Amino acid sequence: EDQVTQSPEALRLQEGESSSLNCSYTVSGLRGLFWYRQDPGKGPEFLFTLYSAGEEKEKERLKATLTKKESFLHITAPKPEDSATYLCAVGKAGGGADGLTFGKGTHLIIQP
Amino acid sequence: DAGITQSPRHKVTETGTPVTLRCHQTENHRYMYWYRQDPGHGLRLIHYSYGVKDTDKGEVSDGYSVSRSKTEDFLLTLESATSSQTSVYFCAISGRGAFQETQYFGPGTRLLVL
Repeated sequence: EDQVTQSPEALRLQEGESSSLNCSYTVSGLRGLFWYRQDPGKGPEFLFTLYSAGEEKEKERLKATLTKKESFLHITAPKPEDSATYLCAVGKAGGGADGLTFGKGTHLIIQP
Repeated sequence: DAGITQSPRHKVTETGTPVTLRCHQTENHRYMYWYRQDPGHGLRLIHYSYGVKDTDKGEVSDGYSVSRSKTEDFLLTLESATSSQTSVYFCAISGRGAFQETQYFGPGTRLLVL
């Protein structure tokens, strides 16, 4: 059974304090690993897709990396507007139109 | 929200009544999905569609049915709503290619079953 575990569940940082969020996964053939950001009362907003171990992608203060068993979302010098819940999800190779398997998310708070 | 709308955005209903949620897309994407999101759980797949009139069950499909008569619309029906179906429901769409691509989500429908 596909499984995605995110840690920590919640993280409180000071503005400018860099950190990393973890996403560990088990899947029988990874099609892609997806990171989303979700603000309260809104739908998940797409951030990154990673397809193979060693791949990295960046967007502003965020950088996502992928190994064979986990992914990290690094946040460099965060600002209060980076506060959100960050979701990780995996898709399975050969799954065709199957949906994604999501983790429970990391709730990130950046204090001014 | 990538050209995805959901209606209604909020609904309160009573146990035993039927409820239909609508997802509408303007992206002409082939694949559409319904998920539910509950505290303590990740997003969980209810049903998905890979084309007009082509649908299949997801992880938590019991008590739900779907229909897709047009590319742009995907309906989720709770035949007889129960309190356990109180949740936030999200529709998602993904790409035009044969290989599934990133899923993009709608704004959600908050459903309360009393």
